[in-house]
Amino acid sequence: AQKITQTQPGMFVQEKEAVTLDCTYDTSDPSYGLFWYKQPSSGEMIFLIYQGSYDQQNATEGRYSLNFQKARKSANLVISASQLGDSAMYFCAMRVDTGANSKLTFGKGITLSVRP
Amino acid sequence: KAGVTQTPRYLIKTRGQQVTLSCSPISGHRSVSWYQQTPGQGLQFLFEYFSETQRNKGNFPGRFSGRQFSNSRSEMNVSTLELGDSALYLCASSIGQSNEQFFGPGTRLTVL
Repeated sequence: AQKITQTQPGMFVQEKEAVTLDCTYDTSDPSYGLFWYKQPSSGEMIFLIYQGSYDQQNATEGRYSLNFQKARKSANLVISASQLGDSAMYFCAMRVDTGANSKLTFGKGITLSVRP
Repeated sequence: KAGVTQTPRYLIKTRGQQVTLSCSPISGHRSVSWYQQTPGQGLQFLFEYFSETQRNKGNFPGRFSGRQFSNSRSEMNVSTLELGDSALYLCASSIGQSNEQFFGPGTRLTVL
């Protein structure tokens, strides 16, 4: 079974500073994908970044980067130069690539608040 | 390109009733997945459809069902509603079954 763990309490960061949101995962499958989603108070889930288990380099998408440490089974999201609009819930998710399988397993999420 | 759309956005029902939620995926996307989000249980996978076939199912009772049409639009149905079914129901679409999923705005269901 797959498991995603997000244990940080609500996170606070000053505008323009960087912040790291932690995520650890557990799976015995060698092929998997890791995702981060942002959920503002409006409820929609916004895809941020993806890391494949065989990717050699850490994924980056604009101000988002994923610090992927495979041996430690961690996939932390780094947001650089935080903006007020970054205040939201952030979810880490995993998909195991066993044939045709689109099921995402989500963590409990982390609330991020950006202070002006 | 239009994103994933879900209708209705808000719904209020009473216990024992049934409800149908609709999801229109991004044009060209053939895979549609449904998730339930509650404060207590978080995001839980309901089921996934690809080319009108259910390919994957989560651990939900048979009261929860779904289907996908030939145009990839999907519906999910919940019969005999219970108070615990109150949740945000999210639909996500992807091009294939192993691509990034893009979510709709959700349908917020309240069961009284």
